[in-house]
Amino acid sequence: AQKVTQAQTEISVVEKEDVTLDCVYETRDTTYYLFWYKQPPSGELVFLIRRNSFDEQNEISGRYSWNFQKSTSSFNFTITASQVVDSAVYFCALGRRPNTGNQFYFGTGTSLTVIP
Amino acid sequence: DAGITQSPRHKVTETGTPVTLRCHQTENHRYMYWYRQDPGHGLRLIHYSYGVKDTDKGEVSDGYSVSRSKTEDFLLTLESATSSQTSVYFCAISERTIPSDTQYFGPGTRLTVL
Repeated sequence: AQKVTQAQTEISVVEKEDVTLDCVYETRDTTYYLFWYKQPPSGELVFLIRRNSFDEQNEISGRYSWNFQKSTSSFNFTITASQVVDSAVYFCALGRRPNTGNQFYFGTGTSLTVIP
Repeated sequence: DAGITQSPRHKVTETGTPVTLRCHQTENHRYMYWYRQDPGHGLRLIHYSYGVKDTDKGEVSDGYSVSRSKTEDFLLTLESATSSQTSVYFCAISERTIPSDTQYFGPGTRLTVL
């Protein structure tokens, strides 16, 4: 069975603090994909990053960084020097590719509030 | 931004009435998906389509049907709406070409069933 756990339901930080959002996944597939999406208060889902299961390189994009560790089945997301605009719900997702289409399994999301 | 629109964006209906939500894409992507988003559950897949007239069930398909007669349109129908189907519905698309398997989402439809 596939499962994604985001144990942190809500996080509040003061602006300019660093914050890490945790994501733990379960799958028996050897090939899978991991994603992070951002859902700002306006409601749309914004794609942030995609990772293949065979690519464990960490990635940095501006103030965002992602730490993928297969040994612990985790794909954590860190925001450095947080800003008010980072306030949103963040979803981690696991994607697998059966014969037809891609199936995504989402975590329940972490609501981040950045306090000015 | 991926060209995905959903209509209507908001709808209030009564229990027992049929409801159809429409997803329209301009990206010519082969794969389309319907999700529902509920507090404490994240997003859950209802149905998806892997081509015109080719559809399959997702995790929470009971009470829903879908149709895809054209590449650009994917319809979600609630044959007889129930209050448990009050939710925000998102459509997504993906182009199944390596390495791009990312799903891009529409703006969502907020459905309230009274």
